[in-house]
Amino acid sequence: ETGVTQTPRHLVMGMTNKKSLKCEQHLGHNAMYWYKQSAKKPLELMFVYNFKEQTENNSVPSRFSPECPNSSHLFLHLHTLQPEDSALYLCASSQDFRGGNQPQHFGDGTRLSIL
Amino acid sequence: AQSVTQLDSQVPVFEEAPVELRCNYSSSVSVYLFWYVQYPNQGLQLLLKYLSGSTLVKGINGFEAEFNKSQTSFHLRKPSVHISDTAEYFCAVSDPSRGTYKYIFGTGTRLKVLA
Repeated sequence: ETGVTQTPRHLVMGMTNKKSLKCEQHLGHNAMYWYKQSAKKPLELMFVYNFKEQTENNSVPSRFSPECPNSSHLFLHLHTLQPEDSALYLCASSQDFRGGNQPQHFGDGTRLSIL
Repeated sequence: AQSVTQLDSQVPVFEEAPVELRCNYSSSVSVYLFWYVQYPNQGLQLLLKYLSGSTLVKGINGFEAEFNKSQTSFHLRKPSVHISDTAEYFCAVSDPSRGTYKYIFGTGTRLKVLA
């Protein structure tokens, strides 16, 4: 299996539920990213990890909690979400987070709906 | 701060006609530029990138883009489109002078190819 794999592809949850999104990359990359994609808005960078260390938290509410146990896996733990959190959540990876010239490779995303 | 503008939110075009999708960025400093495509229910796929060198960049699926530093533009073109090119296209820029991995994305252009 190659590329960036995200599970689940679709998730419906109530505002009081707790769930987790999973991302796995098989590209040997060292950096991993979470983005939020909402309709009519640019992609929003949420978190960045480089060699398992968090290097960016883009003012994301604490109801989103990332976890990166190793360079190949990235999780986004969700709890007490709001309706405005309904969106497509994309995971990406790149070889190196420095310099900005490394293309980011994206997964197919998790479509999250908050009831 | 760097910003990316994709002025056209939707572009309808007939099959086998040429198309240009416009992208302008805000700063004239050296940047890296990328075009991504997103098919329905999928993540973003890299079409092409400009890092340095020739200003005409060729990508996958017959797409090409031209970097114009004086006009701070990076327009995407294809001489003859197919139905299968129907998708959303995103322009992204990163600023190496800041030593940053961050991509700044445009809001996307939805290309609709008509039979």
